[in-house]
Amino acid sequence: KQEVTQIPAALSVPEGENLVLNCSFTDSAIYNLQWFRQDPGKGLTSLLLIQSSQREQTSGRLNASLDKSSGRSTLYIAASQPGDSATYLCAAMNTNAGKSTFGDGTTLTVKP
Amino acid sequence: GAGVSQSPSNKVTEKGKDVELRCDPISGHTALYWYRQSLGQGLEFLIYFQGNSAPDKSGLPSDRFSAERTGGSVSTLTIQRTQQEDSAVYLCASSLDGAGGYTFGSGTRLTVV
Repeated sequence: KQEVTQIPAALSVPEGENLVLNCSFTDSAIYNLQWFRQDPGKGLTSLLLIQSSQREQTSGRLNASLDKSSGRSTLYIAASQPGDSATYLCAAMNTNAGKSTFGDGTTLTVKP
Repeated sequence: GAGVSQSPSNKVTEKGKDVELRCDPISGHTALYWYRQSLGQGLEFLIYFQGNSAPDKSGLPSDRFSAERTGGSVSTLTIQRTQQEDSAVYLCASSLDGAGGYTFGSGTRLTVV
């Protein structure tokens, strides 16, 4: 059974800092890994999707990497802004499950 | 449609009543998923559809919960005899096929009083 862990559960940084969010998974047989953002009281917005054959994806100030062999993914946020404050979730889709398993998220606060 | 649409956005119901939650996925997406998120909790998988069939319904909490999908499109999640512990945000997502990334709807916030 796939288990996805996100550490830390919460992170507070000053504006402008670069930061890394971590996601680890126990079963490396995945189709893809997806990062989402969730604002309070809102749904999930997809940020980046990394297919199992890829090592990283970039969108603007965001870069996500995937290392299947070690069961890890990281989300790098450059030059953080207060508007980046949200909960970030990662989800691993297993090849034999047909569904994604979600981590509990990292709640990020960027202070002006 | 352009995105995943869920209705209603909010639902308040009395304990013991039945409720129906609707999800309209992105046109052409064959896979559809239901999750729920209780206050301050992570996402809990409920059921997965590929077309109109449900290969995995292992997450449905009890036999009070059922779901169907018709025409390979709209899905309805039904909760019978609602209880207070059913209060949560119910999220629907779709993907192009069974291996693609998810697009989520905005969710239905269910409150059982």
